[in-house]
Amino acid sequence: DGGITQSPKYLFRKEGQNVTLSCEQNLNHDAMYWYRQDPGQGLRLIYYSQIVNDFQKGDIAEGYSVSREKKESFPLTVTSAQKNPTAFYLCASSTMIRGKLFFGSGTQLSVL
Amino acid sequence: GIQVEQSPPDLILQEGANSTLRCNFSDSVNNLQWFHQNPWGQLINLFYIPSGTKQNGRLSATTVATERYSLLYISSSQTTDSGVYFCAAEETSGSRLTFGEGTQLTVNP
Repeated sequence: DGGITQSPKYLFRKEGQNVTLSCEQNLNHDAMYWYRQDPGQGLRLIYYSQIVNDFQKGDIAEGYSVSREKKESFPLTVTSAQKNPTAFYLCASSTMIRGKLFFGSGTQLSVL
Repeated sequence: GIQVEQSPPDLILQEGANSTLRCNFSDSVNNLQWFHQNPWGQLINLFYIPSGTKQNGRLSATTVATERYSLLYISSSQTTDSGVYFCAAEETSGSRLTFGEGTQLTVNP
């Protein structure tokens, strides 16, 4: 079945630690996105990528980094510079920028 | 950037009732989408509807782009319709979707 797979489902970060969230899609979509959701709020865009080896900052990119070495994969690293990382992280993809958006099941990141 | 406002913020219904959710946006759009987030966090795309009307089963949506609003209609609601409904819009000159803060819908049996 085609879809977007995010792992892990739950992740805990210690002080000063970098952690990486995985996102893989087999929909053959060109565009991929990372969103952050805080309790009771909407989604905010962290980074997006339209093609391999290219990505752009979203509205809240500080403290995060991404890579797009393969079309299918768009991992997000939450660095130690992100002082308030506790949130629900959602990966999404679309056939192209401005296309219909499809989401993975999310990763809940918490700080120990 | 574009502002996206959803109303009402919360809605409680009895099973079988109908409801209308509203999304206002502050600028001309070329991309508007409605999503449902279930209690486990999964987001499902309901409609891609920058203009016009679409229907999918008990759900339908209408976007009046010239008046900068979109409506999501839910008929004969079921308990499985519970969750948060998000509207997201992208302005014509923009490059990313902006999400509203959502409508929390609770359907009681």
